[in-house]
Amino acid sequence: GDSVTQMEGPVTLSEEAFLTINCTYTATGYPSLFWYVQYPGEGLQLLLKATKADDKGSNKGFEATYRKETTSFHLEKGSVQVSDSAVYFCALPFGNEKLTFGTGTRLTIIP
Amino acid sequence: GAGVSQTPSNKVTEKGKYVELRCDPISGHTALYWYRQSLGQGPEFLIYFQGTGAADDSGLPNDRFFAVRPEGSVSTLKIQRTERGDSAVYLCASSPGPEAETQYFGPGTRLLVL
Repeated sequence: GDSVTQMEGPVTLSEEAFLTINCTYTATGYPSLFWYVQYPGEGLQLLLKATKADDKGSNKGFEATYRKETTSFHLEKGSVQVSDSAVYFCALPFGNEKLTFGTGTRLTIIP
Repeated sequence: GAGVSQTPSNKVTEKGKYVELRCDPISGHTALYWYRQSLGQGPEFLIYFQGTGAADDSGLPNDRFFAVRPEGSVSTLKIQRTERGDSAVYLCASSPGPEAETQYFGPGTRLLVL
């Protein structure tokens, strides 16, 4: 079935460092792809999405490009902040309504 | 406006007991989802409601798990004869319609079975 494989964490970076969190997917067809974020004490929030190949999703300085050739949707940010500390999940839909998630990557940013 | 709310936020119970977890979706959202997030894992789909009916319950792990949404709004996830392996965070999400990409998640209920 459709699935996502996500870079394992935890990841610890200094403030203003460059961030990459890897995500690859296995799917029939070309589903939309998502990154969700879970801040401490809060519910999952949609961070960004891309609906077709070569689309770039972006939000809050984060970007991810839907790469059909490498079946990837890596999350990047050029300069992370302490407030970006959270758990990040790559996800894709299955059966149109449901979501399947990666295992999550815990990101900690040190001042 | 109010988001998805879940009660209780934490629940501790003993093995073999019955528990109910409640989800209040965003007003007007017709679709409601339950997911389970075990420690160190991503959320896993349990069940999806469209209105009052369970449109897809293929993710429920066994017949000890049951969920209802009698009036098409609030939903209750019920777990009978709890086992230690049921310990997890149970997440609820709602969306205006049956679309994966517009799901709004609640903060979850952390269930611990001793």
